[in-house]
Amino acid sequence: DAGVIQSPRHEVTEMGQEVTLRCKPISGHDYLFWYRQTMMRGLELLIYFNNNVPIDDSGMPEDRFSAKMPNASFSTLKIQPSEPRDSAVYFCASSFPRKGLAGYNEQFFGPGTRLTVL
Amino acid sequence: GIQVEQSPPDLILQEGANSTLRCNFSDSVNNLQWFHQNPWGQLINLFYIPSGTKQNGRLSATTVATERYSLLYISSSQTTDSGVYFCAVERRRIYNQGGKLIFGQGTELSVKP
Repeated sequence: DAGVIQSPRHEVTEMGQEVTLRCKPISGHDYLFWYRQTMMRGLELLIYFNNNVPIDDSGMPEDRFSAKMPNASFSTLKIQPSEPRDSAVYFCASSFPRKGLAGYNEQFFGPGTRLTVL
Repeated sequence: GIQVEQSPPDLILQEGANSTLRCNFSDSVNNLQWFHQNPWGQLINLFYIPSGTKQNGRLSATTVATERYSLLYISSSQTTDSGVYFCAVERRRIYNQGGKLIFGQGTELSVKP
């Protein structure tokens, strides 16, 4: 089975440009998560979706960041305009519901997108 | 929010040695996972272990939920075990779709040949 797929794997852009990161979750998973990893802040959750609906976006840093999930097999994270402090590795992860309980089970991570904003 | 502390922060081993990594958390949890981030940056699932003990080859993990800690054991370490090991927890809730997975700062392991 294919794992979580992310594209692009690397993105270099200039300050002020729009950046779009893409994610395809594992088929059948109805939870999708976006994370950011930096040296200073470690791994932090930005937003997550359940059945294509955003559940918790409290980690989204500011209005320049937006995420969508138009269908069960695709999500985007957009930064507009980008700034040098947005440079990081962005991970997408997916999961499935816990049996008989609320919430999700084990999360599986994609390979990440390394973003550099000059 | 829930606090996750991992120890030690760094560890250097000779190939073949055993090690124990610890994860302490400050609240009851629904979900606890151990990950290995390899030198290429990939996050690899090791264990989903909110409670109990599991083993997978040379690795095993134990979570004592009542005492709010988890241990990851690596036996007969190999150079390919090098990387950063993360513990991540989701605070227990009695409702809704689930909370955030909060990551510790990691243990950086270096295994020397």
